[in-house]
Amino acid sequence: DAKTTQPPSMDCAEGRAANLPCNHSTISGNEYVYWYRQIHSQGPQYIIHGLKNNETNEMAPLIITEDRKSSTLILPHATLRDTAVYYCIVRLRGSSNTGKLIFGQGTTLQVKP
Amino acid sequence: DAGVTQSPTHLIKTRGQQVTLRCSPKSGHDTVSWYQQALGQGPQFIFQYYEEEERQRGNFPDRFSGHQFPNYSSELNVNALLLGDSALYLCASSFRATNEKLFFGSGTQLSVL
Repeated sequence: DAKTTQPPSMDCAEGRAANLPCNHSTISGNEYVYWYRQIHSQGPQYIIHGLKNNETNEMAPLIITEDRKSSTLILPHATLRDTAVYYCIVRLRGSSNTGKLIFGQGTTLQVKP
Repeated sequence: DAGVTQSPTHLIKTRGQQVTLRCSPKSGHDTVSWYQQALGQGPQFIFQYYEEEERQRGNFPDRFSGHQFPNYSSELNVNALLLGDSALYLCASSFRATNEKLFFGSGTQLSVL
């Protein structure tokens, strides 16, 4: 079973920020938080991951709370192309675990004009 | 640089038949993982191959088997197909030593009639 809880759906106006929450209250010190998204009819796409500090890359910033029990992926200026299912995943550290991701239901983000 | 490629893109089989799906990993990657995604669900991990051996396996019956070739490409075989095997089958690749993220292909849509 997935170790994360996400709202099933969210709406966002184009150009506005979309804040996607994730609860992972049982996360251990050996586990990363990963975010992937899946646009319709495509495979999941990696967005970002983090261990205990806030992270950012060219795709989006990730805010991880100090107790690591929750995180928020931020899309600062959502576009229609950001409409997708966003998955928050907890994964054990170590390269041998890279390939094994436990996906939940994710959050379906609908960006509206 | 080609990403992860999968073939065929679509496939129709009947119950009891056998099917083989193929995957070529992203250039430079040596590890391949397979996922099954039923309609409306998140992907489920089937197994992972590295150095031509199955390294990790999810909760799938022995009807699901795989192979990895010396060039790192991989096959997923499913025997005695059931209606419930209808799904999108996703292949993902990574570089075991250093890469912390998966790259997914667009999948093979399998329909079992």
